Amino acid sequence: EIVLTQSPGTLSLSPGERATLSCRASQRSSGSYLAWYQQKPGQAPRLLIYDASNRAAGIPDRFSGSGSGTDFTLTISRLEPEDFAIYYCQHYGSSLWTFGQGTKVEIK
Amino acid sequence: QVHLLESGGGVVQPGRSLRLSCAASGFTFSDYPMHWVRQPPGKGLEWVAVTSHDGKNKYFADSVKGRFIISRDNSRNTLYLRMDSPRPEDTAIYYCAKNAGYNYGPLDSWGQGTLVSVSS
Repeated sequence: EIVLTQSPGTLSLSPGERATLSCRASQRSSGSYLAWYQQKPGQAPRLLIYDASNRAAGIPDRFSGSGSGTDFTLTISRLEPEDFAIYYCQHYGSSLWTFGQGTKVEIK
Repeated sequence: QVHLLESGGGVVQPGRSLRLSCAASGFTFSDYPMHWVRQPPGKGLEWVAVTSHDGKNKYFADSVKGRFIISRDNSRNTLYLRMDSPRPEDTAIYYCAKNAGYNYGPLDSWGQGTLVSVSS
């Protein structure tokens, strides 16, 4: 089973700043089967990025994903007020899906 | 537009059974694998189970294997999760989610969830 570790636990930033979130996998998988989700209080998660770097439908281009192997990154180029939320990475494949513990992006 | 609506949550005593349902609309339900994901109050997400598009293949998280059953009725566009022998640690919001493609992958649409509380 692949374990995902996200860092930092909390990121305190101001609107307009750049956010860089990390997700590290305990082992390599055969492909870049890594997704990122955003969750706001009281809401269901929303898919942002899949296959490590592809934006899901309707996701603004200020969100980007990168990485391969065991190290993956979600970057928000300029934070908008609606971007303050919790972000989860997820590995899929091999009949098992796992989530990281989440990174909270809060207003500084 | 994809719409997923969970129901069946509530308070259940440890050891009693509970069945959750998820009514789907806005897409060809029988074409896609479907998942259950849960979230304990104030905590992170945990994937629970997936069923293939035809219901023939099913996979479970170790934490629920042997206790939970996932099934689907493609004639009714409905996904189910039967929780047998629930434990207090199963207390969570349970979300159903649609697989993004025909092959197993990320989850691109989610319901709003139904809260299950396991307590005596």
